[in-house]
This record gives sequence, structure tokens and C-alpha cells, in this order.
Amino acid sequence: DIQMTQSPSSLSASVGDRVTITCRASQGVSSWLAWYQQKPEKAPKSLIYAASRLQNGVPSRFSGSGSGTDFTLTISSLQPEDFGTYYCQQYNSYPLTFGGGTKVEIK
Amino acid sequence: QMQLVESGGGVVQPGRSLRLSCAASGFTFISYGMHWVRQAPGKGLEWVALISYDGRNIYYADSVKGRFTISRDNPRDTLYLQMNSLRAEDTAVYYCVRSGGSGSSTNWFDPWGQGILVTVSS
Repeated sequence: DIQMTQSPSSLSASVGDRVTITCRASQGVSSWLAWYQQKPEKAPKSLIYAASRLQNGVPSRFSGSGSGTDFTLTISSLQPEDFGTYYCQQYNSYPLTFGGGTKVEIK
Repeated sequence: QMQLVESGGGVVQPGRSLRLSCAASGFTFISYGMHWVRQAPGKGLEWVALISYDGRNIYYADSVKGRFTISRDNPRDTLYLQMNSLRAEDTAVYYCVRSGGSGSSTNWFDPWGQGILVTVSS
């Protein structure tokens, strides 16, 4: 199984800050990597797929990069509504696996 | 508007069975692979199972293999998860999710249902 490791596990940042979350795969997943945002008591929402493709309707302040084993989700200017937990997920091979999550709090 | 609505959750004793259903609307159901993803209370996300658009290809997480069965009824736009021999560790919110695309290498998840809680407890 491919293990996905996210860092940090949590962060606190101010509105307007640039925020970066990293995701590392235990083996290469090419560009088959997605990112999700989950708010408390809500279903996750797709942000990015294929490592860098923005899902329709997602604000352009979100961006993704990387390939192989190392990936990054960047929020260029953090907004109050960006609080929540962010997960990466690989879909290169079965079983499909998620990272452990990064909880983002607004200072 | 794409929509996935789960039903069939609840409280069940260990060792018993439960069947979840997911009604899809707003997209061409027969064109997409479908998944179940679960989240234990306070924990992260865990992929459970995938069924291809035509039902011919099915994959399971090791944690449910041999106990859970995913199936679909394309004329009724409905996805199912039959859960047998339930354990306390199966307690979770179960999400019905569509594959993000309809071709190959499309097993990201979009959209998601609202989720339904399954509690396994005596």
C-alpha cells in the first residue's frame, strides 16, 4: 500500500498569509494526487486533482504542485473561510489512500 | 446539480448486517465509477470500495474485504454497500462518492454525498 504523509498536522495562520501544506507518498504516484478541504461536520470538498488542476469553482488562491512522491498545496492569501482540515489522496494504485490531514486554523 | 443522497445507516449490533444505499442525480450515473469512503469519529478519511461504471471491476480496502459488497443498479441510478459481520471498528460516517472523471486514472472523488452514520455497538 502507498502511505501518504502530510505535514504539518496543524497550523495557525493569519488572514492574508501564504500557507503551504506538503504531502509525501511512500512510492511514486506520478501526478495522480488530489486535495480536499473538509469543514467540521461537513463532507469533504474536492479542490485539486491531477496534482495541479483546480476543480471547477475553487478559488484561484488555491494551487497544487509536485509529481512523483512530493506534493504541495498552497493557499496564496488565506481567507477566513479557508479554515478546516485538508487531505491529500493518491489514486495511482489500489488501495486508494489518504494523508492523515492538516488542520488549518485562522489566528 | 449533481447530488448523492445516502440512506440506510443506523445503530447495529456487532456481527449483524446493514445495507447502505446512495441515490444519484444530476449526472449520467452509468458513465462513472462510484466509491464508498468512510470516516471514523474524529479520524481521517478511509477509502472503502470502488465499483466501475459497468459493475465489472470492483476493488476493496483490506479492512472490509470478504465482509462488505459494493454493487450498483444503473437503471435506478443507485449505489449500494452491503455490510456483513460488522465490527465496532466499522463505526463511521460513510460517504457515497463519484469518481471525478469518466475515463482512466480518474479515481479522485467528486462530488461527495452528505454522509450517513453507521454505529456498531451492543
